[in-house]
Order: sequence, then structure tokens, then C-alpha cells
Amino acid sequence: GAVVSQHPSRVICKSGTSVKIECRSLDFQATTMFWYRQFPKQSLMLMATSNEGSKATYEQGVEKDKFLINHASLTLSTLTVTSAHPEDSSFYICSPHPAGTDTQYFGPGTRLTVL
Amino acid sequence: AQTVTQSQPEMSVQEAETVTLSCTYDTSESDYYLFWYKQPPSRQMILVIRQEAYKQQNATENRFSVNFQKAAKSFSLKISDSQLGDAAMYFCAYRSARGGSEKLVFGKGTKLTVNP
Repeated sequence: GAVVSQHPSRVICKSGTSVKIECRSLDFQATTMFWYRQFPKQSLMLMATSNEGSKATYEQGVEKDKFLINHASLTLSTLTVTSAHPEDSSFYICSPHPAGTDTQYFGPGTRLTVL
Repeated sequence: AQTVTQSQPEMSVQEAETVTLSCTYDTSESDYYLFWYKQPPSRQMILVIRQEAYKQQNATENRFSVNFQKAAKSFSLKISDSQLGDAAMYFCAYRSARGGSEKLVFGKGTKLTVNP
């Protein structure tokens, strides 16, 4: 099966700092990348969709200047949480989607804790 | 906009027994996909089963099967011969078949406990 990695798996940072999360598709090319956020005991909520080489499309209520998404290559996408605050503490999951398929994969997630 | 509703926040089942998780959805589209995902304590999302809306036959994967009722917009998951490893959060999800709309819409999830 397809392999997706996320790094780091867990990060603790101070309020006001920025955190970068990497998502890599190790054995396939992802033309589309979805980024989800999951608060404790809640469902996955889509934050944004990005296509390789294009600007990301953000869901309503998600601040594009706070959650910077870069999808510069077909195997790597990054999510940067800028000026993180405690309310940004959550579980972030990437989901790469190969072109021409109806298959969607998920990364193992990154737990962000902002103190 | 499409919505997915899972009306059972928690369910429990005895090991080796059968349990059914409910899911309903709302859409105006005729062509779409439906999924059940499992999220164990590790938080890794695992695809359990998928159903194409244009197929009348219910999907099955070993001990997992669905009851897809398109007219009623219902998509329940049946787990037979439940095992301790089936304990997890289960999410029902919808995805449009329209090109450029591959995002998944998730229900709120059902926490399944399997009792030994």
C-alpha cells in the first residue's frame, strides 16, 4: 500500500512561535493534498486543499495567513502554523491524493501542543 | 453542501458478536462515493470499506459489510464476529464523484468498544 509520512509526529511549542509540518508521499505522486485538523474527540475537519504548484484553497473560517500551505512538489507538502496560540493545539493530518485515481491516503498525523 | 450524520456517538459489542453502525447523508448529487474509515488509538486513518453510489450491490470486505440504501441516503456498516482489534473510532465519509471535488466530508464518528 501507499506510504505517507508526516514529520514531526509530535511537537510542543511556545505561544507565538511558528511550526512547520511536513507531509511526504513516499511511493506515489500527489497532485492534490488535503490538510485536516482534528480536535480531541471530534471528527476530521478539512482546512485546505492544495494542488501542486498552485495556491491552496482554504475552507471557510480557516485563516490563510495563519496556516501557510506549500505544495511545491508532487511528493512534499508543508503546513506552517504561524504565531501559534494554545487554541491551535490539535491533531493535523495530511491526505495526499494521486491524480487519476479515486484513492485517498492519510498521513499518520502530527499532534501540536501550544503552551 | 453535503452533510454526513452518525447518530451513535458510542456503541459497544461483545467479542464474536455482530454490531451495526449507522450513517445517513444528505446530497443532491447522483454520483458519489461513500466510505467507512477506522481510527484506532494510534490516530492513523484506515479505510475499512467503500461503496460507489452507482453500484446497487452492497460492498463487503471480509467481516465488514455495508447496507447501502440510496433512496433513503443511508449507509450502515455491519461488523460480524467482532474482534478486540475492531475497537476504534469509526467515521463515515462522503465524496463527490464530480471531477475536482475529491475532498471527503466526514461524520462525527462512532466510538466502538469491544468487550471480551
